[in-house]
Amino acid sequence: AQSVTQPDIHITVSEGASLELRCNYSYGATPYLFWYVQSPGQGLQLLLKYFSGDTLVQGIKGFEAEFKRSQSSFNLRKPSVHWSDAAEYFCAVGDSEGNKLVFGAGTILRVKS
Amino acid sequence: SAVISQKPSRDICQRGTSLTIQCQVDSQVTMMFWYRQQPGQSLTLIATANQGSEATYESGFVIDKFPISRPNLTFSTLTVSNMSPEDSSIYLCSVDLRVAGYTFGSGTRLTVV
Repeated sequence: AQSVTQPDIHITVSEGASLELRCNYSYGATPYLFWYVQSPGQGLQLLLKYFSGDTLVQGIKGFEAEFKRSQSSFNLRKPSVHWSDAAEYFCAVGDSEGNKLVFGAGTILRVKS
Repeated sequence: SAVISQKPSRDICQRGTSLTIQCQVDSQVTMMFWYRQQPGQSLTLIATANQGSEATYESGFVIDKFPISRPNLTFSTLTVSNMSPEDSSIYLCSVDLRVAGYTFGSGTRLTVV
């Protein structure tokens, strides 16, 4: 069964600074990987996804993530954080059968001015 | 991508009562998923609903507590039965759009008093 680890519960960065949120997964085959963002009181919005091909994936809002099979990682990055990026970020792994997503515990991002 | 309409968006219910949550998708999908997000927690899959068959429940979730209907390819309901304060959570439905990824409804914020 797949699993996801997001080792950082909270991260605080200054506005304009770069950001990297860590995600490690466990899955026996080629995983489908996702990053979602959830603002307070809101639903989940898909930032980006990886199914196959280029291991550097571009998403919305200036985010990107890199799939590293050797490290079982799918870290999310943004070169310059904006105050509106403050939210909770979830990494998730799915399988090629279109079955359930397994979510990490989430990382709460705080942006200080 | 698909648009998912979920209602109610929030509700406050008395313990011992039941609440039915509706999820409508604007396109036909094979599988629909129901998740629970307890306060301050990540998302946990409750069950997978296929049209024309019984829902498949994850460990820790049972049909008597969370009955699910899936009458057609665009609609599903989740009922939270005999509620207690521990059922206070956000409940989200999701569909797998394959290449487009998993899309989530905006969620139902349930408070049981």
